[in-house]
Amino acid sequence: QVQLQESGPGMVKPSETLSLICTVSGGSISSSSYYWDWIRQPPGKGLEWIGSIFYSGRTYYNPSLKSRVTMSIDASTNQFSLEVSSVTAADTAVYYCARSPRGYFNIWGQGTLVIVSS
Amino acid sequence: SYMLTQPPSVSVAPEETARITCGGYNIGSKTVHWYQQKPGQAPVLVIYFNNDRPSGIPERFSGSNSGNTATLTISRVEAGDEADYYCQVWDSSSDHSYVFGTGTQVIVL
Repeated sequence: QVQLQESGPGMVKPSETLSLICTVSGGSISSSSYYWDWIRQPPGKGLEWIGSIFYSGRTYYNPSLKSRVTMSIDASTNQFSLEVSSVTAADTAVYYCARSPRGYFNIWGQGTLVIVSS
Repeated sequence: SYMLTQPPSVSVAPEETARITCGGYNIGSKTVHWYQQKPGQAPVLVIYFNNDRPSGIPERFSGSNSGNTATLTISRVEAGDEADYYCQVWDSSSDHSYVFGTGTQVIVL
């Protein structure tokens, strides 16, 4: 069965760039049936969609984050990644990667907490 | 941008029925998905396409969607159903964009 696992630094300094990787196991990231997404959740708050990437590299970003977000995909390693630039304390959150078949998220990673602090 | 509003909390006794609403402009014209999130865990899809259940989700979970309100119904509530629940839609008006509801905490009395 397909599993997703987030990895990356647990702490980032303000104004720097947050970088995370999601490793997909048990299935190919190159499938045309799915989008691959990032979603975040600040402590004690709700879910916020960050962006989607297709196997072709086509990306879609949340308009509220678009200017600071970059996603990429690497079929050779079965991974996709997220970068958020110029981070502030407001970017402190649990970051989830997820798989999206048709408008919903049916498989999620366990999530990784990223704290923005000097 | 499109917004989805949920009540902050819903309290229900065991064996009773919990109804969680998700309000949005003309949400009945969209397909709604629901997630359950327990403390310290990732969300789990419990309803997709308004009223379809993924394998492994009990029949006690059902959904409906009409007008300006979508509803997740949990019948015969169990203690294990205590969690946060989020609705979600794909906002086609924004090219390709997903929107989550504000979330509802279900409290089993």
